[in-house]
Amino acid sequence: KAGVTQTPRYLIKTRGQQVTLSCSPISGHRSVSWYQQTPGQGLQFLFEYFSETQRNKGNFPGRFSGRQFSNSRSEMNVSTLELGDSALYLCASSLQDRGEAFFGQGTRLTVV
Amino acid sequence: GQQVMQIPQYQHVQEGEDFTTYCNSSTTLSNIQWYKQRPGGHPVFLIQLVKSGEVKKQKRLTFQFGEAKKNSSLHITATQTTDVGTYFCAGYSGAGSYQLTFGKGTKLSVIP
Repeated sequence: KAGVTQTPRYLIKTRGQQVTLSCSPISGHRSVSWYQQTPGQGLQFLFEYFSETQRNKGNFPGRFSGRQFSNSRSEMNVSTLELGDSALYLCASSLQDRGEAFFGQGTRLTVV
Repeated sequence: GQQVMQIPQYQHVQEGEDFTTYCNSSTTLSNIQWYKQRPGGHPVFLIQLVKSGEVKKQKRLTFQFGEAKKNSSLHITATQTTDVGTYFCAGYSGAGSYQLTFGKGTKLSVIP
């Protein structure tokens, strides 16, 4: 059974640009969550989607947005990139509400 | 908002020594989960505790959920070099919440 797939694995962007990250959950998983991981702040929750609906959003500015498609695949977008957005962005999918989260390998975003 | 505190931030132990990490939530949790992240890897689910006072064991690992469902601990007996990594606790705070809030993790180093 394939795991959670995130693309791309690495990305370098310039300040002010925007970026879109993609996440394909495990087949049958309808809940997808996104996290930002930095050395100083740990894992911070961005948002959670289920059946194309955002059910929770973390404490991030409006530059961070996401969506989920009918096949449960999800994307997150960050506009007007700042240096502080450099981080590992992790996607996780779950079969059950509030159940075990399966993480992807992450996308390492560097903003220069 | 919900906060999950985890201590210690770092722990260096001699191989064979025991290790404990503690987790404290500012709100009552509906469940608590523990994850392990190896260096360069992504978080991997270890266990979920749901009931007040619950204790679960996985070989050398013992997990506890406090009576008030606001704190938890992970104890590793006789650490091995394969235990190296960062251990995170994470919890959901309410029936209507789909936000998994993570502690900042305890980074375990094992000296052979």
